[in-house]
Amino acid sequence: KAGVTQTPRYLIKTRGQQVTLSCSPISGHRSVSWYQQTPGQGLQFLFEYFSETQRNKGNFPGRFSGRQFSNSRSEMNVSTLELGDSALYLCASSLKGDTQYFGPGTRLTVL
Amino acid sequence: KQEVTQIPAALSVPEGENLVLNCSFTDSAIYNLQWFRQDPGKGLTSLLLIQSSQREQTSGRLNASLDKSSGRSTLYIAASQPGDSATYLCAVRGAGGTSYGKLTFGQGTILTVHP
Repeated sequence: KAGVTQTPRYLIKTRGQQVTLSCSPISGHRSVSWYQQTPGQGLQFLFEYFSETQRNKGNFPGRFSGRQFSNSRSEMNVSTLELGDSALYLCASSLKGDTQYFGPGTRLTVL
Repeated sequence: KQEVTQIPAALSVPEGENLVLNCSFTDSAIYNLQWFRQDPGKGLTSLLLIQSSQREQTSGRLNASLDKSSGRSTLYIAASQPGDSATYLCAVRGAGGTSYGKLTFGQGTILTVHP
């Protein structure tokens, strides 16, 4: 089976812009979670989607949003980018929330 | 709020040594605990998952134990190799309160195995 894929792998944006990241889970997986990883804060949970419904949400401002499509693919959107949003954004999929399989991540740089 | 701590923050050992990485968590209401490794600039690779009802899991040279009541887990790596060099992360999935369903990560242990 193909693993979790994320696009794009690298992204450079300027402050105030918005960005959309995409995640394709492992075939058959219905749960997709998003995480932000920074050197200072480590890995932090953003949100989890299961069968197109947001099942859980971390402590991030409303500028961070996501959605899941009927084919389980998920997108994450960040509006009004700030310098502090520079991070590695990781997506993980699982069958029902058990073992998490991670993608390679999208490296976002905000200038 | 669940907090996960990993000790030590960094570890450097010669090839062939057996080693133990530690993980502790503050809220024992968890569904499971998972150990990952992360290579520089890459995503996470799942190593072992222990359900809350289990005491340990083994995969090859890796053995992970879980003591839910005391909020501790250890990852034992036997006969370490240079290819084991990576950052090791533990994460717990909460089963109650504000941590329900969320995966909380520790800050990781940076392992270096030198030839």
